[in-house]
Amino acid sequence: DAQLVESGGGLVQSGGSLRLSCSVSGFTFSAENMNWVRQAPGKGLEWLSYIDKTSDNIFYADSVRGRFTISRNNARNSLYLQMNSLRAEDSAVYYCAIGYGASWFFHWGQGTLVTVAP
Amino acid sequence: QPVVTQEPSLTVSPGGTVTLTCGSSTGAVTSSHYPYWFQQKPGQAPTTLIYDTVDKHSWTPARFSGSLLGGKGALTLSAAQPEDEATYYCFLSYSGVYVFGPGTKVTVL
Repeated sequence: DAQLVESGGGLVQSGGSLRLSCSVSGFTFSAENMNWVRQAPGKGLEWLSYIDKTSDNIFYADSVRGRFTISRNNARNSLYLQMNSLRAEDSAVYYCAIGYGASWFFHWGQGTLVTVAP
Repeated sequence: QPVVTQEPSLTVSPGGTVTLTCGSSTGAVTSSHYPYWFQQKPGQAPTTLIYDTVDKHSWTPARFSGSLLGGKGALTLSAAQPEDEATYYCFLSYSGVYVFGPGTKVTVL
């Protein structure tokens, strides 16, 4: 069964760092592009970052560029988001999503909660 | 950074039809923005209903359809069911910049 499982969330102090992981099963991970999206409590969705299947093309939202780094390990079927210089406004549920065919968001994980204490 | 606009809320009667729209601060929404539509119910992850303006995934109910309408992206829900009550988000691509709309809360009442 296709599954995306995020992990690595938790409570961190402002200015701190966290590394999120997204473990993928049921897909040919190395053939698919990936995205990170977040959702602050009670708010809408915010696209954060995209990485293509070979890591040759990477994009970031302005809100995280220079602080967050997306990466992937195709041998481990895993996607990562290294988050540095965290701020209170980074508190959110972080989702990974896998593309398939022409769709960038074929399947979503259930999310991992990040809370940044001010 | 472009701004994507959506109706904050809409109400539809069971069995009725409602159209949600997705506008762009940069001008008309076209197929080159590859509009997506997502459904999210409280406490759940989003699911993707429509991609590339009109394309559906295998799980997308036939009562949902995507289009371009009056310079905006559009999601039409026909024959609304109680289980369609949710928040719907659109998403537009701007050549390396990607933006979600603020969402439309749809009530089936």
